Amino acid sequence: TQLLEQSPQFLSIQEGENLTVYCNSSSVFSSLQWYRQEPGEGPVLLVTVVTGGEVKKLKRLTFQFGDARKDSSLHITAAQPGDTGLYLCAGDSSNTGKLIFGQGTTLQVKP
Amino acid sequence: EAGVAQSPRYKIIEKRQSVAFWCNPISGHATLYWYQQILGQGPKLLIQFQNNGVVDDSQLPKDRFSAERLKGVDSTLKIQPAKLEDSAVYLCASSFRRLPNEQFFGPGTRLTVL
Repeated sequence: TQLLEQSPQFLSIQEGENLTVYCNSSSVFSSLQWYRQEPGEGPVLLVTVVTGGEVKKLKRLTFQFGDARKDSSLHITAAQPGDTGLYLCAGDSSNTGKLIFGQGTTLQVKP
Repeated sequence: EAGVAQSPRYKIIEKRQSVAFWCNPISGHATLYWYQQILGQGPKLLIQFQNNGVVDDSQLPKDRFSAERLKGVDSTLKIQPAKLEDSAVYLCASSFRRLPNEQFFGPGTRLTVL
């Protein structure tokens, strides 16, 4: 069974702090995505990474795909209350378009 | 561009009753997915359609769950009879292409089974 393990599961920080969320697996993924989900809404795609070692930046968010394409990280610089939400990583390991989701990291940023 | 539409947004039923959820994907998206998301967990794929054909339903509890996508556009997911453990958010998503698989999600239907 393919699994994506996210850590930490919960994170509560003050506005302005930096944080990193990790997504790890023993399986190789052809692509990996990060989504953000707010209460009462569906997940919204933030980024897709497809190349081992790839780094993508989206304003204050930096996404990295591991060289072996088994893991990924999301780093947020100077977190803001608007970053609060559930962050999900999702991988496609079989090139079929079927996504396996991690269990999510709940982030709370306090003003 | 309109997003993925789902209805109802909330549903409360008693166990052993039946319930149906509806999804209208983004126009032109050939692939449609139904996910179950239990509180505190990531979404779990129930069924994947490519146009009106089933691509993957390996995790769909077929003794009580059914889904169809007639005409390759709208889709319905049905549970009959419902169990307490079916309480969850049911998410519908659609995508334009399989690779890379960038999915667009609807707001979900929150089901509570009493």
